[in-house]
Amino acid sequence: NAGVMQNPRHLVRRRGQEARLRCSPMKGHSHVYWYRQLPEEGLKFMVYLQKENIIDESGMPKERFSAEFPKEGPSILRIQQVVRGDSAAYFCASSPLGGSEQYFGPGTRLTVT
Amino acid sequence: AQSVTQLDSHVSVSEGTPVLLRCNYSSSYSPSLFWYVQHPNKGLQLLLKYTSAATLVKGINGFEAEFKKSETSFHLTKPSAHMSDAAEYFCVVSEPRDGSARQLTFGSGTQLTVLP
Repeated sequence: NAGVMQNPRHLVRRRGQEARLRCSPMKGHSHVYWYRQLPEEGLKFMVYLQKENIIDESGMPKERFSAEFPKEGPSILRIQQVVRGDSAAYFCASSPLGGSEQYFGPGTRLTVT
Repeated sequence: AQSVTQLDSHVSVSEGTPVLLRCNYSSSYSPSLFWYVQHPNKGLQLLLKYTSAATLVKGINGFEAEFKKSETSFHLTKPSAHMSDAAEYFCVVSEPRDGSARQLTFGSGTQLTVLP
């Protein structure tokens, strides 16, 4: 059973460009979570999604950030007009319906130059 | 609201000696508690979890943690450290309200160094 997959693993963008981060949950998992880890800090919750639904986006910045989890395909975290402060590791996690624990992917390390 | 405090940002032990990583939590509900480990430039691996069953929880790689409600603590221990244990450790709390996973709240992490 493959784990949570994220791609790309490393992404470099210039200021003002768009970043798209992809996450494929574990097989059988219907819930996806996105977290951001700034240097020297713990992970901070961003958004929680089920298929075609955003359940909790209380951790998402109000502008430039969006997330989706379509009926088919991976979950996408989209950052428009990136700025230097967006440089971080972005982790995706998934859980099954009714599960209490989350399984994490290897992360995407975004660098904004 | 839930929160987690990891009392030590860095812990250094000698190989073969015990490990103690301290964690205190705050929660309005009966929380689920977790310890995750993160090796450099890697993802997070679940070490163990507490979800209102036995208060002493055994995890992978010889780690265990004890849930103490009266002290609101969930300290992580291991009897004998190994060089491969060197990593960052995160204490995590979750307040599932309907039995399902919700957002996790992470502590700031404890960097464990194991000396030869």
